[in-house]
Amino acid sequence: GQQLNQSPQSMFIQEGEDVSMNCTSSSIFNTWLWYKQDPGEGPVLLIALYKAGELTSNGRLTAQFGITRKDSFLNISASIPSDVGIYFCAGPIGSQGNLIFGKGTKLSVKP
Amino acid sequence: KAGVTQTPRYLIKTRGQQVTLSCSPISGHRSVSWYQQTPGQGLQFLFEYFSETQRNKGNFPGRFSGRQFSNSRSEMNVSTLELGDSALYLCASSSAGQGVHTEAFFGQGTRLTVV
Repeated sequence: GQQLNQSPQSMFIQEGEDVSMNCTSSSIFNTWLWYKQDPGEGPVLLIALYKAGELTSNGRLTAQFGITRKDSFLNISASIPSDVGIYFCAGPIGSQGNLIFGKGTKLSVKP
Repeated sequence: KAGVTQTPRYLIKTRGQQVTLSCSPISGHRSVSWYQQTPGQGLQFLFEYFSETQRNKGNFPGRFSGRQFSNSRSEMNVSTLELGDSALYLCASSSAGQGVHTEAFFGQGTRLTVV
């Protein structure tokens, strides 16, 4: 079945560094969503992408919808300790749009 | 605007029991989806309701069921609980209409522990 391959699985970075993570699929998606989840909480929507090639920013976060529609990238600039968490990519499958999720990228930031 | 509200936040149940979880979507949202999150399997889709009708169902046994009320509030039920049902159950609401997908907003989840 469809699946989203998210990489890297985890990252350990220094405060102030930039971060990049990506999500790929063997299938085409019409929407890419990026979420962040803190321990014990629900995922929080960060950025939604609807068009191939689209580049969207939300503060220090920038995400891109790949031209092939089979991938997406999330960049975080000048990381801070509160960026710690697990970042998930997600995309809708089927006509009703239930989401499938990547396995997540766990980000740790060292002050 | 209030977010998605899930109750209870935490539950401990015994094997064989049943459990009902509740979700109140964002006001105006008619689509409610449920997901199970476990360390091993990640986030997996359970089912989605729109206007009191189940539109879509994931690959879970019939012990998992749900319903949606006329005010869009939703409940999910798990009968004959198994140890493997221990998970964080997440509800998401969206303003998706027929065949149109928009962003899904999640609640804080219900942490179910089966002992």
